[in-house]
Amino acid sequence: DGGITQSPKYLFRKEGQNVTLSCEQNLNHDAMYWYRQDPGQGLRLIYYSQIVNDFQKGDIAEGYSVSREKKESFPLTVTSAQKNPTAFYLCASTISGGGELFFGEGSRLTVL
Amino acid sequence: ILNVEQSPQSLHVQEGDSTNFTCSFPSSNFYALHWYRWETAKSPEALFVMTLNGDEKKKGRISATLNTKEGYSYLYIKGSQPEDSATYLCASPRGGTASKLTFGTGTRLQVTL
Repeated sequence: DGGITQSPKYLFRKEGQNVTLSCEQNLNHDAMYWYRQDPGQGLRLIYYSQIVNDFQKGDIAEGYSVSREKKESFPLTVTSAQKNPTAFYLCASTISGGGELFFGEGSRLTVL
Repeated sequence: ILNVEQSPQSLHVQEGDSTNFTCSFPSSNFYALHWYRWETAKSPEALFVMTLNGDEKKKGRISATLNTKEGYSYLYIKGSQPEDSATYLCASPRGGTASKLTFGTGTRLQVTL
């Protein structure tokens, strides 16, 4: 089945640790995105990539990093510089910029 | 309107009721308007991507209209069913690129028997 797989679903992290969230798609989509959801807020864009080896900052990129070495994969690292990392993270992809997004099931990160 | 805004925040209807909610977005430099349905414990799924002023799209009992000149879209659900219970999100690209979608906070719909 074609789709987007995010892992892990739940993750606990101690303060000061970096953590990497995985996002893999087998839809042959060019563009991939990371969003963050907090209670009472809309999805906010962290980073996006329209092509392999290229990515752009979204609205809340501080404290995060990404890579896009393969078309299928767009991992997100939450670094210790992110001041409030506890949130729900969604990965999405689309065949080209502007098309409908296909989402993964999300990863919930809790910092202890 | 500078951001994408949705109203109401939540809605509780009885099975069989018809309902509608609103998405307001910046009308300048309009590119597209997306609607998504997000059921609990599932991934958000696209309902519609609309680009033309006056456009109306339909999927089963759900339909949407678009007014790009005044910057709003309506989502209608006819004869609500419990399986329609979800959060409905709208989003519009901004910043001169179709790739940067700005999402509203969503309308949470609960349909009871």
